Amino acid sequence: AQSVAQPEDQVNVAEGNPLTVKCTYSVSGNPYLFWYVQYPNRGLQFLLKYITGDNLVKGSYGFEAEFNKSQTSFHLKKPSALVSDSALYFCAVRDPGTGRRALTFGSGTRLQVQP
Amino acid sequence: DAGVIQSPRHEVTEMGQEVTLRCKPISGHDYLFWYRQTMMRGLELLIYFNNNVPIDDSGMPEDRFSAKMPNASFSTLKIQPSEPRDSAVYFCASSFQYNEQFFGPGTRLTVL
Repeated sequence: AQSVAQPEDQVNVAEGNPLTVKCTYSVSGNPYLFWYVQYPNRGLQFLLKYITGDNLVKGSYGFEAEFNKSQTSFHLKKPSALVSDSALYFCAVRDPGTGRRALTFGSGTRLQVQP
Repeated sequence: DAGVIQSPRHEVTEMGQEVTLRCKPISGHDYLFWYRQTMMRGLELLIYFNNNVPIDDSGMPEDRFSAKMPNASFSTLKIQPSEPRDSAVYFCASSFQYNEQFFGPGTRLTVL
């Protein structure tokens, strides 16, 4: 079975500082990994994905994530946080080896960027 | 492209009434997913379709819930009869094969 964990319910960071939102996963094969962001009263928006290739993936709005197979992690990062980055962030995983096309989402991490 | 379209955006109904949520996926996408989001349970997959065929409905909570996809551009999620515990935000998402899912704006359902 595939699963994903986001160990922090909330992350607080000051504007201009680097931010990290953590994600670890569990799959039987090689994972497909995704990050989504949700602003209040909106649907989830795709940020970035890792399928194969370079472990450092760059996405929308200056976000990037690093795939670490040995630590089974896919942490989301940004060098300099903006107040407008404050939102709910979801990590998701799919194990292509299962044939199941649906994603399994984490519980979400609320990012609060203080001015 | 207009993205995934959902209607209505808000629905308030009374317990026992039938509720129908609608979704128009992005043109050309072959997968359609229905999710439910609540504070208590987070984001839950209810059902997904591939080329209009239901593939996995194991997340549908009970027989009161049903979903259909009569063609590639339309899907419905029906709750009959509705109960207060069904109150949630319901999202529809679509994707093309292995690629990322695109979510609609959601329908906020309140059952009184």
